[in-house]
Amino acid sequence: RKEVEQDPGPFNVPEGATVAFNCTYSNSASQSFFWYRQDCRKEPKLLMSVYSSGNEDGRFTAQLNRASQYISLLIRDSKLSDSATYLCAVNNQAGTALIFGKGTTLSVSS
Amino acid sequence: GAVVSQHPSRVICKSGTSVKIECRSLDFQATTMFWYRQFPKQSLMLMATSNEGSKATYEQGVEKDKFLINHASLTLSTLTVTSAHPEDSSFYICSARSQTSASYNEQFFGPGTRLTVL
Repeated sequence: RKEVEQDPGPFNVPEGATVAFNCTYSNSASQSFFWYRQDCRKEPKLLMSVYSSGNEDGRFTAQLNRASQYISLLIRDSKLSDSATYLCAVNNQAGTALIFGKGTTLSVSS
Repeated sequence: GAVVSQHPSRVICKSGTSVKIECRSLDFQATTMFWYRQFPKQSLMLMATSNEGSKATYEQGVEKDKFLINHASLTLSTLTVTSAHPEDSSFYICSARSQTSASYNEQFFGPGTRLTVL
């Protein structure tokens, strides 16, 4: 099992749709979880950290399920500008660095 | 927010030459910086962890003699790709961890360096 796995998509949705991404991780001792957004040929930018109790930032909601070892990202009322690749990241076994999933590509169309 | 710069943003070189990439934390001190590599349609792969004042820790499969890392100050880490070959062509991205970040593992990324080896 890969350390961090994501469905690569692409997810093609119309504006206004709600879309959810999942990400599974293999290290049960992981403590830090993040969602990053990466635009084509650009560096990743932090979208949000994922907390145990779940957290929301505007149209974005992140959840953590430790028992099943996955994190999720929900995007409501999708905008054209949400089109990007979404990467989940989990700290490595040593706890010193982040391991990234391959990313899920989202394409929002009008 | 924490800002990380990288230089150069793009480099094209001939096979066999060495290329140095700089990563700087502009408004914070970073005792730890990370170097990643990303091939097209692939994820970021951690190459090494760079600690200020000590030797870098390389991930399995990454040749330390080929990818030289120096972290001489709290705001600068450099990656030198020695004797570059076409298969080294990739997007190299550094990141830095801010000591003041609320989340210990939160990393801030530089804009990346696109290396093309002819």
